[in-house]
Amino acid sequence: NAGVTQTPKFQVLKTGQSMTLQCAQDMNHNSMYWYRQDPGMGLRLIYYSASEGTTDKGEVPNGYNVSRLNKREFSLRLESAAPSQTSVYFCASSELVLEGSKTQYFGPGTRLLVL
Amino acid sequence: RKEVEQDPGPFNVPEGATVAFNCTYSNSASQSFFWYRQDCRKEPKLLMSVYSSGNEDGRFTAQLNRASQYISLLIRDSKLSDSATYLCVVNPSGISAGNMLTFGGGTRLMVKP
Repeated sequence: NAGVTQTPKFQVLKTGQSMTLQCAQDMNHNSMYWYRQDPGMGLRLIYYSASEGTTDKGEVPNGYNVSRLNKREFSLRLESAAPSQTSVYFCASSELVLEGSKTQYFGPGTRLLVL
Repeated sequence: RKEVEQDPGPFNVPEGATVAFNCTYSNSASQSFFWYRQDCRKEPKLLMSVYSSGNEDGRFTAQLNRASQYISLLIRDSKLSDSATYLCVVNPSGISAGNMLTFGGGTRLMVKP
């Protein structure tokens, strides 16, 4: 099992360019997440998908869109990149439970630099 | 006020030392608590869950104090390989909405020979 995979690993964009970050998991998890991690800020949730067919905003959704393509795949799109979106982006997945929380498994991350 | 607060460190300790980290959380309704470990330029990975009665996993002991809303992690007999950033993580609502988690900023540990 590969677990959670992300592409690309690194990306440099110019302000105003668009791109899509891809994420896939092979653990048959229902829930998937996108986070960004900035120095001193910890991981902040951008969007999540509790189950296939649903997506919801997290703490910092502005400037991003997501698509839950199927149970395995959850993509994050930057329509018009801004320097403030320079960050490390992590995708994660977990089982879905009614209460409490299940372990989230993270992908290796995408390092994005917006010039 | 941040929902989950940690001392960013770094904590510099010699091999074999015992080191403890604390973390405070603001939402008293929080139900689930975890410590994740993140190595430099790597993804976070679950280190251990934190249970109300406290729990131990080898050299690692986690404690929860609900009254004071803090969580602790104790590492005994530190190894060089323990050098990492330790993330305090809380499930803020207690009710799963996609199992959302709130992460602290992390505490950096450096174990020296």
